[in-house]
Amino acid sequence: QSVLTQPPSVSEAPRQRVTISCSGSSSNIGNNAVNWYQQLPGKAPKLLIYYDDLLPSGVSDRFSGSKSGTSASLAISGLQSEDEADYYCAAWDDSLNGYVFGTGTKVTVL
Amino acid sequence: QVQLQESGPGLVKPSQTLSLTCTVSGGSISSGSYYWSWIRQPAGKGLEWIGRIYTSGSTNYNPSLKSRVTISVDTSKNQFSLKLSSVTAADTAVYYCARGGYGSGSLDYWGQGTLVTVSS
Repeated sequence: QSVLTQPPSVSEAPRQRVTISCSGSSSNIGNNAVNWYQQLPGKAPKLLIYYDDLLPSGVSDRFSGSKSGTSASLAISGLQSEDEADYYCAAWDDSLNGYVFGTGTKVTVL
Repeated sequence: QVQLQESGPGLVKPSQTLSLTCTVSGGSISSGSYYWSWIRQPAGKGLEWIGRIYTSGSTNYNPSLKSRVTISVDTSKNQFSLKLSSVTAADTAVYYCARGGYGSGSLDYWGQGTLVTVSS
């Protein structure tokens, strides 16, 4: 059972904006960097956001990350059909002394 | 461009030990400030971090798996490995290897994953 909680699913029409929340605690999000991963169907996860809000080279700037206290968010603007995927937040947890993934959110483009 | 590739048996019998190797190409496993991780994903479920190793040999493991997991590194072969003992059907999953960076802990390069089924 993950210590990082995400909504199971979100959906929105093309060209709209969606936000995915990730709720944690002081031992993980509150004290460590949050990373986000995109997993397309049948593929390996891909790093989308690191250090809370930084984009790796090659990642579209339609993706953005933010963090406040013990929660983090991923926003996708200008939603496209190719964004349909599972999204996971992740962070180091000082209490568990391990890396934890969120429960995952499936994004559907209507 | 760094690439990672998992290899190992796709079928393991219950109570036996699952063994996988990740081969790193496109760069030395010893260069830079990186560590090397294993992650797994049961069919239709989320990602579970198994553990990581630094090229110094230092390791961190998921507390829920710690008693059964060993991760090792062979810098001469540019490989790192996973051993998971006393497997059950619950260990059936796609297993990924990945590279992680110091600081953010982000996993920036992943292997394609390999399915391991535990069944008699």
